[in-house]
Amino acid sequence: GAVVSQHPSWVICKSGTSVKIECRSLDFQATTMFWYRQFPKQSLMLMATSNEGSKATYEQGVEKDKFLINHASLTLSTLTVTSAHPEDSSFYICSAENRGRRQETQYFGPGTRLLVL
Amino acid sequence: RKEVEQDPGPFNVPEGATVAFNCTYSNSASQSFFWYRQDCRKEPKLLMSVYSSGNEDGRFTAQLNRASQYISLLIRDSKLSDSATYLCVVNIGGYSTLTFGKGTMLLVSP
Repeated sequence: GAVVSQHPSWVICKSGTSVKIECRSLDFQATTMFWYRQFPKQSLMLMATSNEGSKATYEQGVEKDKFLINHASLTLSTLTVTSAHPEDSSFYICSAENRGRRQETQYFGPGTRLLVL
Repeated sequence: RKEVEQDPGPFNVPEGATVAFNCTYSNSASQSFFWYRQDCRKEPKLLMSVYSSGNEDGRFTAQLNRASQYISLLIRDSKLSDSATYLCVVNIGGYSTLTFGKGTMLLVSP
């Protein structure tokens, strides 16, 4: 099946630093990638939709200046958490849409655990 | 009302049991439906899509009732490896945005 990778798999950082997470589709081109966040015992919440070559679309309540998204190529999207604070600690998961399949399918990366001290 | 609602569980069942999960969704315009499985501290993985006529994949059967805006997942002959959280996921047609339920936890014991 389609493979999506994320890097790093986990990050521990000090409050105030910025953290960059990469999401790559390894065996297909993804014009659209999605960034989700999941807090413990909560559902995945969509943060933003990332389209190659254009600005990301952010969900209500997600600060675009804090969560910077860049989708520079058909296989790579990055999420940068700027000036991270402890409340940003969460499980960040990306997904990439494979439109080559009969039915549009999203494939998820393995996620990145962020802990801000 | 939440967009996708599921009973969080946990459902504790012995090996070999049959277990069913239900899910309701609020947006009548929803057109695509899925069940995902998420293991502890892992990413969600697609278990199966749900079609209007109902569909089966081995021990797993999914059903959709559009009139009641209700989706179900039936697992027969439960295995220990079925222990996970099962996420009900809905997609409004024309968009790619998936809306996730909080998930139902299943624990299968020997």
